[in-house]
Amino acid sequence: DTAVSQTPKYLVTQMGNDKSIKCEQNLGHDTMYWYKQDSKKFLKIMFSYNNKELIINETVPNRFSPKSPDKAHLNLHINSLELGDSAVYFCASSQTRTGGYEQYFGPGTRLTVT
Amino acid sequence: AQTVTQSQPEMSVQEAETVTLSCTYDTSESDYYLFWYKQPPSRQMILVIRQEAYKQQNATENRFSVNFQKAAKSFSLKISDSQLGDAAMYFCAYRSGGSGNTPLVFGKGTRLSVIA
Repeated sequence: DTAVSQTPKYLVTQMGNDKSIKCEQNLGHDTMYWYKQDSKKFLKIMFSYNNKELIINETVPNRFSPKSPDKAHLNLHINSLELGDSAVYFCASSQTRTGGYEQYFGPGTRLTVT
Repeated sequence: AQTVTQSQPEMSVQEAETVTLSCTYDTSESDYYLFWYKQPPSRQMILVIRQEAYKQQNATENRFSVNFQKAAKSFSLKISDSQLGDAAMYFCAYRSGGSGNTPLVFGKGTRLSVIA
């Protein structure tokens, strides 16, 4: 049983297209995140959702639109893809409670824009 | 804003030897958590070890241990008896305390090579 899954794992598309990445977690967590890992391996938070509500929205172009239909799912839709969007996108989840409980990561989606 | 600095872009270690990866962070918060994540070539992010800032005792997990120096804002990772499977990118990460749903702030990573 995969705890956090993402589809697809690889995505190759052309500039200007619209694409979506899906994420699902079966851990019963109430918070989900999207992180972006650039070509230099740097990881940075993009969005986080708690109980389907957006709580963090970093300075991300509005071409990126996350959607959380329920607590177990967090999807990322990207409009008008640009070359600079090429990266690995990680979904993660955690449970809200006091304590530094770790985030569980999905396998990542490598997006290549040509 | 919190920042995490890993000053060693690359490190190498002989198999069975010990290596220490450095991490410093900057914060004005008193309640926070620190983590080391491993990312092998498969790109999966794997939690190696975590440390609560309020705990004075350094965390250990089998061959992995940390040296947490709160006053110096330092959080280094020691890997003992290094194995070939330890070769990976290692990321130090910071998380604010409180609600428990705060995001991770990552360092830029250290690429560890293990020499047979």
